[in-house]
Amino acid sequence: EVQLVESGGGLVQPGGSLRLSCAASGFTFSSYWMNWVRQAPGKGLEWVANIKPDGGEKRHVDSVKGRFTISRDNADNSLSLHMNSLRAEDTAVYYCAAWGSTNIWGQGTLVTVSS
Amino acid sequence: DVVMTQSPLSLPVTLGQPASISCRSSQSLVYSDGNTFLSWFQQRPGQSPRRLIDKVSNRDSGVPDRFSGSGSGTDFTLKISRVEAEDVGVYYCMQHTHWPHTFGQGTKLEIK
Repeated sequence: EVQLVESGGGLVQPGGSLRLSCAASGFTFSSYWMNWVRQAPGKGLEWVANIKPDGGEKRHVDSVKGRFTISRDNADNSLSLHMNSLRAEDTAVYYCAAWGSTNIWGQGTLVTVSS
Repeated sequence: DVVMTQSPLSLPVTLGQPASISCRSSQSLVYSDGNTFLSWFQQRPGQSPRRLIDKVSNRDSGVPDRFSGSGSGTDFTLKISRVEAEDVGVYYCMQHTHWPHTFGQGTKLEIK
């Protein structure tokens, strides 16, 4: 079965850190651009970061640049998002998504930044 | 950043009737290779988003043919020929021609 499963979300205090993971199965992970997209409660979608199939190119939206880092391990079929210096405005459901000829989304993991 | 503007933001539709959503970008979405990277996503209540259409008009596998996309340059449209109950949700356009990729605000489709 083709799927992406996110994990690692939770409650964290402002200024804290969190690492999100995304496990891929059922498709050729190493062939896809991988993305993190987030959705604040009751709001729309915001693209956060993506990474090239070979991991050689990464991009992050300005609002997270210098605080978040996307990475991947093609041997392990996994995607990560390391999040530091978290702010209240980072509170959202974080989705990992594979984009290519096929488009695959995970179920999302909720990150809540609050004291 | 490229701003994506959708209209309407709320779309009440009678079952079996057509529906149309407009998406306009603040700059051309034509890439240097000639492709236009404009996608449409559907997000049903309580679910993850799902891509319906890529590159303006290419339907994803499994997407009913009542969904169609059209447009060029900065002006794009998603049409549903006959709305069904399962089409309720929020629809987003997204451009991935320019960095950063950006989404429209979303259009909430509901049944009258």
